[in-house]
Amino acid sequence: EADIYQTPRYLVIGTGKKITLECSQTMGHDKMYWYQQDPGMELHLIHYSYGVNSTEKGDLSSESTVSRIRTEHFPLTLESARPSHTSQYLCASSMPGQSNTEAFFGQGTRLTVV
Amino acid sequence: GENVEQHPSTLSVQEGDSAVIKCTYSDSASNYFPWYKQELGKRPQLIIDIRSNVGEKKDQRIAVTLNKTAKHFSLHITETQPEDSAVYFCAALARDTGRRALTFGSGTRLQVQP
Repeated sequence: EADIYQTPRYLVIGTGKKITLECSQTMGHDKMYWYQQDPGMELHLIHYSYGVNSTEKGDLSSESTVSRIRTEHFPLTLESARPSHTSQYLCASSMPGQSNTEAFFGQGTRLTVV
Repeated sequence: GENVEQHPSTLSVQEGDSAVIKCTYSDSASNYFPWYKQELGKRPQLIIDIRSNVGEKKDQRIAVTLNKTAKHFSLHITETQPEDSAVYFCAALARDTGRRALTFGSGTRLQVQP
């Protein structure tokens, strides 16, 4: 079934650890996004990509990196986790173009840094 | 870049009443305006969208209106039901080569009182 998948769903990790949040979509979408969201609160754009080998920074990008080597895969890496990174991370994808289309969201990764 | 403002941040209505959520955008190049609903603990999902070539779109109890001149768009929910309780996000995206990111408003928490 075409969807967007995020792993892990929940993660508890110690301060200073390096972590990678995985996101894959099987819809053939060119655009992919990472958002940070505290429960029920604003969606903050971290990074986005409009195709393979293309990435752009959002508002909260300074402490993380992304890569887009394959169309379907868009992992997010935190080089050194801090308690302030505790949040939910949502991945999304869409097909761009003149007729912009719906963005589909993954289930999210709830990260806790202790 | 695009800036989307959303009001109110919280909205409480009685079951059966109407609810209106308003958003303004800054980029005159924006041409796609989706609305997402996020229920507690779930991912945001598209409920309705509108493109700049129309002024209104309706889907059962939900309608969206767009005023391009004033750069604002609104979500209207009629005959509200308890299951409409959720956080609603508006968003805007410009017509371009596909390199722009979807920009979200800060969200409106709607509570429908039975």
